[in-house]
This record gives sequence, C-alpha cells and structure tokens, in this order.
Amino acid sequence: DTEVTQTPKHLVMGMTNKKSLKCEQHMGHRAMYWYKQKAKKPPELMFVYSYEKLSINESVPSRFSPECPNSSLLNLHLHALQPEDSALYLCASSQAGLAGAGTGELFFGEGSRLTVL
Amino acid sequence: AQTVTQSQPEMSVQEAETVTLSCTYDTSESDYYLFWYKQPPSRQMILVIRQEAYKQQNATENRFSVNFQKAAKSFSLKISDSQLGDAAMYFCAYRSAFGTGANSKLTFGKGITLSVRP
Repeated sequence: DTEVTQTPKHLVMGMTNKKSLKCEQHMGHRAMYWYKQKAKKPPELMFVYSYEKLSINESVPSRFSPECPNSSLLNLHLHALQPEDSALYLCASSQAGLAGAGTGELFFGEGSRLTVL
Repeated sequence: AQTVTQSQPEMSVQEAETVTLSCTYDTSESDYYLFWYKQPPSRQMILVIRQEAYKQQNATENRFSVNFQKAAKSFSLKISDSQLGDAAMYFCAYRSAFGTGANSKLTFGKGITLSVRP
C-alpha cells in the first residue's frame, strides 16, 4: 500500500465554522506533512510531524491546528478561517529523514480542496 | 537555506517530440535528493524521477531522464516521445539527506506548466 488518503476531497465552510481535514497512510512512514497550495503555485509547507511530534510550524496562523494522534494519522483542524485560506491542502508522508534512509521522496495524497465563504 | 529555481514558467512540445525542463538549485550540503514531481489537473502530486546526489549516474525512468550536473547545481528533466498525458505542471524539488525534523522538508521550485500539442 503506497497511498496517502485524504478526506474530504472537497470542503466548503463559512468563516465561523469548525471543520477538520484528515490524512492517513499505512506505509510505516514516521514523517508527515501538511502543505497549502494555491492555483499555479508550488506547495507551501505548513507543518511537519516527525515521530508524532511537531517539528516544523512555518509560522502558520493559529486558526490552523494540526494533530497527529498516531503514526498513521494526521489531522488539520480549521476554525475561523478567512476567504484567503481557500486553497488545496496536501498531506504527504515520508520515511523520517535519517541520513541514507529510504528513497527520500514524499508521497502525496490527492488533496482536500477547501473553499471558505 | 536551500533554494530551487525554475526560470521557465511555461513550455510547449509537439506530441512525440522531446522537451527539456530546466532546474537549478543552491545548497551547501554534500548529500541530498533531487526530484521532479508532476501535478496534472487532477491535482495529485506524482513522483516522476529521483536523483541521489552521491550517485554520479543520471537517473532514468522509461521516457524520463535527468541531466544532473552536481558542480553546476543543475538538474534538468528530459521527456522523450512526449504524450498528451504528459501535460501537467512539473515541480523540481530538493530534500536534505541529513537529519530529521526541519531537515526532512521538501523545497520546491515555482513549477513549469507543460502543454503538449497533438
């Protein structure tokens, strides 16, 4: 199984709503990532979890709250978002970045398309 | 900090022809990975090809090959016998081979949109 599964594929929410994006992988990867991507732009890193601990927060606003309940799951909790937060949210996983470990690549999910009204 | 530069925003190729996408990068590290990812309109980021910096031999995957010039910090992608399904956005990316946490992130270039003319 070389898949990263993201749900939901599409989400529309108002600025006062609370919602969550979910990501799951069963490749035994110990690094998981959230990226935000606007149209025709590269993905922008938001968070990195390494061995279930938050290792990178790229100065993301607190209205985005990540959670890694276990080594297979990654959530992104959304609250009081702004219309400019509308984007494609990509989850990815990789073997933890130990020197020489694995193939180095990140495996991406299909993304969750978020629209904030 | 590492940077990845893709200076061409768009390219077009005739079906069955060959096209080369350019990428340069900057790093002070000696060991790292370089990747080309493809993102079609269906939006999933798919790995096209991978290169490990300590390997001098250029990676190849079927119709896709790279020209890796470590001293020049250049990593171009050649697509041979282009097909309509190759139309997508292509991202060049860098990842350190060392450490965990902060060093495990992937740094992307701005991407290039490739169109294939039938």
